Amino acid sequence: AQSVTQPDIHITVSEGASLELRCNYSYGATPYLFWYVQSPGQGLQLLLKYFSGDTLVQGIKGFEAEFKRSQSSFNLRKPSVHWSDAAEYFCAVIPNDYKLSFGAGTTVTVRA
Amino acid sequence: KAGVTQTPRYLIKTRGQQVTLSCSPISGHRSVSWYQQTPGQGLQFLFEYFSETQRNKGNFPGRFSGRQFSNSRSEMNVSTLELGDSALYLCASSSGIDQETQYFGPGTRLLVL
Repeated sequence: AQSVTQPDIHITVSEGASLELRCNYSYGATPYLFWYVQSPGQGLQLLLKYFSGDTLVQGIKGFEAEFKRSQSSFNLRKPSVHWSDAAEYFCAVIPNDYKLSFGAGTTVTVRA
Repeated sequence: KAGVTQTPRYLIKTRGQQVTLSCSPISGHRSVSWYQQTPGQGLQFLFEYFSETQRNKGNFPGRFSGRQFSNSRSEMNVSTLELGDSALYLCASSSGIDQETQYFGPGTRLLVL
């Protein structure tokens, strides 16, 4: 079945430490890939996207993601986390039909 | 450019009632998609409208319907509300051409009592 998997439900990281959020997808062809962030009670904000080309994608707020076709992965990274990065992060794909399919999300807690 | 706007932001209804939510897309965008977000089911696609036509539909009962106007504004309607319809309803807009990025509004939080 086609799916998007975020293996980590919850991650706790210290402020200033690095962060990596995992995302794997299962589709026949490489879909369009996205990372969104959602603060409590808010809508979704686009962090970055991958359509084609360079497999290392830079986004807003210091985030980057790397697309690895061989692993069907699109992991999100940030070298140094700030307290304001505490939020829920969603990996999403559009296979070929304009419908975003989301992973279950990863909640990030930042400790001082 | 102004972002995607949704009204109202909060709603409280009782079972059996109906509700209409509104979404105004980013200027120039012709596609509007609707998603339901709940703690149990996560983010689920409801439907997408492009140039006043429903182009895609998710797996929701017929109680959930929508429409799009000539100015690309969209409404979604839920009839005969059930407790399980309590959710955050998110609207997203895009150009609608070639799988472009979808930009989300702040959502409407619906509570059904």
